Amino acid sequence: DTAVSQTPKYLVTQMGNDKSIKCEQNLGHDTMYWYKQDSKKFLKIMFSYNNKELIINETVPNRFSPKSPDKAHLNLHINSLELGDSAVYFCASSHAFPGQGYEQYFGPGTRLTVT
Amino acid sequence: DAKTTQPNSMESNEEEPVHLPCNHSTISGTDYIHWYRQLPSQGPEYVIHGLTSNVNNRMASLAIAEDRKSSTLILHRATLRDAAVYYCILPIDTGTASKLTFGTGTRLQVTL
Repeated sequence: DTAVSQTPKYLVTQMGNDKSIKCEQNLGHDTMYWYKQDSKKFLKIMFSYNNKELIINETVPNRFSPKSPDKAHLNLHINSLELGDSAVYFCASSHAFPGQGYEQYFGPGTRLTVT
Repeated sequence: DAKTTQPNSMESNEEEPVHLPCNHSTISGTDYIHWYRQLPSQGPEYVIHGLTSNVNNRMASLAIAEDRKSSTLILHRATLRDAAVYYCILPIDTGTASKLTFGTGTRLQVTL
């Protein structure tokens, strides 16, 4: 069974559209994350939820809105897509935060291409 | 926040041991040292982490210097599948939580 899964794997859309990426983890973890990896391969955290509560919210445009319907799911909705949003988005989960000594498990990524 | 310094790239022969160094001279006493890797076209993968003592798991070993200002990830027998970018990370405290900040890592090439 896949521990952290994301859908879709690929997403091609036009500027101005609204799209969502879904993430599910079956590890029983309390904490989930969204990361963005741009074309230069820099991987940056965007959001983190703990027990469905937003804990980390980096400097991300408010066109990006994460939603956690339950502890096993963390979705990312993006409004008014822009060319610069093209990237690979990774979901991750962990029991608790890395500063407490907990590792994160990453999904396979969603490659978003905005044309 | 403590930062890490890693070589940009390293090469290894297959079935040879690989020692990937990481310097973190400003580490605090409570900072965990995390290692992740990212294979081509895949998501990051947890490798190992430690606080003070050396750690071993099925993937690798982590040797932590006595003063904790450096650490070394050891792959005991490199295979072609180990070719990846390896990240040494000290979590950053955000006040309410902590986060991983990925740098540029060390790109490991493994050759036959």
